[in-house]
Amino acid sequence: SQQGEEDPQALSIQEGENATMNCSYKTSINNLQWYRQNSGRGLVHLILIRSNEREKHSGRLRVTLDTSKKSSSLLITASRAADTASYFCATRGGGGNKLTFGTGTQLKVEL
Amino acid sequence: GAVVSQHPSRVICKSGTSVKIECRSLDFQATTMFWYRQFPKQSLMLMATSNEGSKATYEQGVEKDKFLINHASLTLSTLTVTSAHPEDSSFYICSASYRTDSLTDTQYFGPGTRLTVL
Repeated sequence: SQQGEEDPQALSIQEGENATMNCSYKTSINNLQWYRQNSGRGLVHLILIRSNEREKHSGRLRVTLDTSKKSSSLLITASRAADTASYFCATRGGGGNKLTFGTGTQLKVEL
Repeated sequence: GAVVSQHPSRVICKSGTSVKIECRSLDFQATTMFWYRQFPKQSLMLMATSNEGSKATYEQGVEKDKFLINHASLTLSTLTVTSAHPEDSSFYICSASYRTDSLTDTQYFGPGTRLTVL
């Protein structure tokens, strides 16, 4: 079963607007990561937030983590058409080094 | 840095044949490599985890004899789909990591291989 579920499944916005994607997970984690995937391509690592962190920034990206609610959000500010892609959260937990991916959000940024 | 390549990027084969996919870490030594499968518009599903020099650990429901994984060196892992059938058609993605600490190790993903079985 999927560890993470993301919402919305699909998001369409205008260029310049902010995009927010949410991820929920079920078990305890060591860290949570966000990835971007352009259609038919591999994944690009965006940002990693540790379980003892609450917020992290990287350029136009802002990630929050609420371990009490087992949820995370990814905010992309001032979106661009090039941000159009699928975004996945992935959690790493327990003693292993496996990543469990969420269901993904398909973001479309229109000109 | 931390580039992972996959070869081939696309492969079309006839039903019953075997297909080998290579995954290489180009500028680092990968302690662990992972193989994922992704169906259209769906998430990545982990198939197996392999450490250099040891047998791969397969996820529940993944057939070991169907998907052979060899991790011969710290920079190369191969996935062989044996006796491929149309239902094996999918996007296969590998990733590689080098262990730093349990809170920050990152997986670096290859560009994926599109397998189509006719």
